[in-house]
Amino acid sequence: DAGVIQSPRHEVTEMGQEVTLRCKPISGHNSLFWYRQTMMRGLELLIYFNNNVPIDDSGMPEDRFSAKMPNASFSTLKIQPSEPRDSAVYFCASSPGTGAEAFFGQGTRLTVV
Amino acid sequence: AQRVTQPEKLLSVFKGAPVELKCNYSYSGSPELFWYVQYSRQRLQLLLRHISRESIKGFTADLNKGETSFHLKKPFAQEEDSAMYYCALKSIGANNLFFGTGTRLTVIP
Repeated sequence: DAGVIQSPRHEVTEMGQEVTLRCKPISGHNSLFWYRQTMMRGLELLIYFNNNVPIDDSGMPEDRFSAKMPNASFSTLKIQPSEPRDSAVYFCASSPGTGAEAFFGQGTRLTVV
Repeated sequence: AQRVTQPEKLLSVFKGAPVELKCNYSYSGSPELFWYVQYSRQRLQLLLRHISRESIKGFTADLNKGETSFHLKKPFAQEEDSAMYYCALKSIGANNLFFGTGTRLTVIP
């Protein structure tokens, strides 16, 4: 297994544009997490899904952020419209179940100019 | 609400010296505590978890419920230990993992 796969690895976009980040979890894992990493705040949990259902989205900063998991093998995090303060590294992680280790993707570095 | 605090953003030690990365938490229930590590150009990965009570790469961490701490320790630091370290908390029975702000450890040769 190639692990959790995120795309793109890098994204540079202009303020106001829509940004979509993609994640393919490890096959068989039933939990998926989206995190945002910044120097000031470290790793912030944005949202997590269990069996494709959003369980906790209290970390989503604003209505500009939305996440979907249409099936067990794919999830998206969308920012519309994007702002410079959204610039960060966004990580996706998956886990096989409660109490199990979370496996992280390599992250998407987003720069909004 | 749960909270994980790592008071040091940066920590530098000399090779061979002991190292301790601090982690304090606040949580009303019974938490599970973890340390994750991110080496340069690598993915964030699990280093150790308190329920395993094991030593990984010479690192250990003891959960101190009285002090609500889960400090990571190693008696003799190595250059390859240089990395970003995150302390994380999960409530037992739940799946969401909350991280501290991280500590960047630099081991000076």
